[in-house]
Amino acid sequence: QVQLAESGGGLVKPGGSLRLSCAASGFTFSDYSMNWIRQAPGKGLEWISYIESGSTTYYADSVKGRFTISRDNGKNSLYLEMNSLRADDTAVYYCARDRGGVSAWCEDYWGQGTLVTVSS
Amino acid sequence: DIQMTQSPSSVSASVGDRVTITCRASQGISNWLAWYQQKPGKAPKLLIYAASSLQSGVPSRFSGSGSGTDFTLTISSLQSEDFATYYCQQAKSFPLTFGPGTKVDIK
Repeated sequence: QVQLAESGGGLVKPGGSLRLSCAASGFTFSDYSMNWIRQAPGKGLEWISYIESGSTTYYADSVKGRFTISRDNGKNSLYLEMNSLRADDTAVYYCARDRGGVSAWCEDYWGQGTLVTVSS
Repeated sequence: DIQMTQSPSSVSASVGDRVTITCRASQGISNWLAWYQQKPGKAPKLLIYAASSLQSGVPSRFSGSGSGTDFTLTISSLQSEDFATYYCQQAKSFPLTFGPGTKVDIK
């Protein structure tokens, strides 16, 4: 079965950096585009980044220039490098698989999320 | 960017009730719309894609309709496990955007 497992979250000071990972299993990872989506405490969902099975990427304006999405198809892993972190980056970060095909750009499987807290 | 709005922001309902949630896009998105259910402390779950297609494994009491700018999610007979927050998301263009959510709670 499809499984996505995020890791790497934690407490970081403003201006600091963090790298999130998402380990994928149960499907052919290289065939699917992937997303990072976050949810601030008590708030709604915010899409932040997308990467195609190749290398095309998209970012939300709120993270553009600070965050970098990448993937290693050989390791079935998705990554999010986060720099210049701010208090408003505090959130649970989810990796999510793009459904693909004619129904692309919606997410059919999600990980359990990893909490990133930016605070001094 | 395409802005998504939802109404109501919350609804109180009883088991067996029919519940309808509305989502509106700031510009036409054809049928590029998805609906998600999220329970507290859990990841969202895809219910509906392409506005009206039921994701595999989702009960048939959930249905979606609409095209262009106006969409609805209907739960035909609310069950206890359906108390949750529901989000719409446009899948027409980047940045992908979600509605603010509709909380369905117990009356």
